Amino acid sequence: DQQVKQNSPSLSVQEGRISILNCDYTNSMFDYFLWYKKYPAEGPTFLISISSIKDKNEDGRFTVFLNKSAKHLSLHIVPSQPGDSAVYFCAASEVSSGGSNYKLTFGKGTLLTVNP
Amino acid sequence: EPEVTQTPSHQVTQMGQEVILRCVPISNHLYFYWYRQILGQKVEFLVSFYNNEISEKSEIFDDQFSVERPDGSNFTLKIRSTKLEDSAMYFCASKGQGNEKLFFGSGTQLSVL
Repeated sequence: DQQVKQNSPSLSVQEGRISILNCDYTNSMFDYFLWYKKYPAEGPTFLISISSIKDKNEDGRFTVFLNKSAKHLSLHIVPSQPGDSAVYFCAASEVSSGGSNYKLTFGKGTLLTVNP
Repeated sequence: EPEVTQTPSHQVTQMGQEVILRCVPISNHLYFYWYRQILGQKVEFLVSFYNNEISEKSEIFDDQFSVERPDGSNFTLKIRSTKLEDSAMYFCASKGQGNEKLFFGSGTQLSVL
């Protein structure tokens, strides 16, 4: 039951170029989406999020785009830096489900490698 | 910056033994979670906890699993009789009121031999 899918297990880009990580979801009840970054031996750390009422959210070098009709979101990193090399997880949630029932559903992650 | 802390970072145990994984969530958070990641697979939801009771649990969270908040700061996950397939990285997370972000600890790598 893969409600959140990240179909690319890995991505390699050159420093300074754009990294585009993709995510698809199947549950139409999801209304909030997050990207987490994970380094080895560390827990996932929050990167950026977007509500379903928006189609774009930007924070510095990171931009998340949401296409609700396609149930697709993407994370753009520009310019990419070697320190961005990590596993990136897409996650989705139902804010409308209520406080105590709130949880995140994760994709499998994409390993991004930024080469100097 | 406040953070979620987990101990131990690594736990090796024999099949059939009980293990307790410990977590100290961020102090003013009200919602607590355990997730796990089997090597090469996705981060999976196990259980959520609010107001001293389980809010929701996944199919993975069977009778061998339990959670407890024994005092005002700790949040524990107990596996009563470990199986080989319980080997995974276990992440604790917490969330504040009115916030959709979960904050994760660094994880406990559980190896069942």
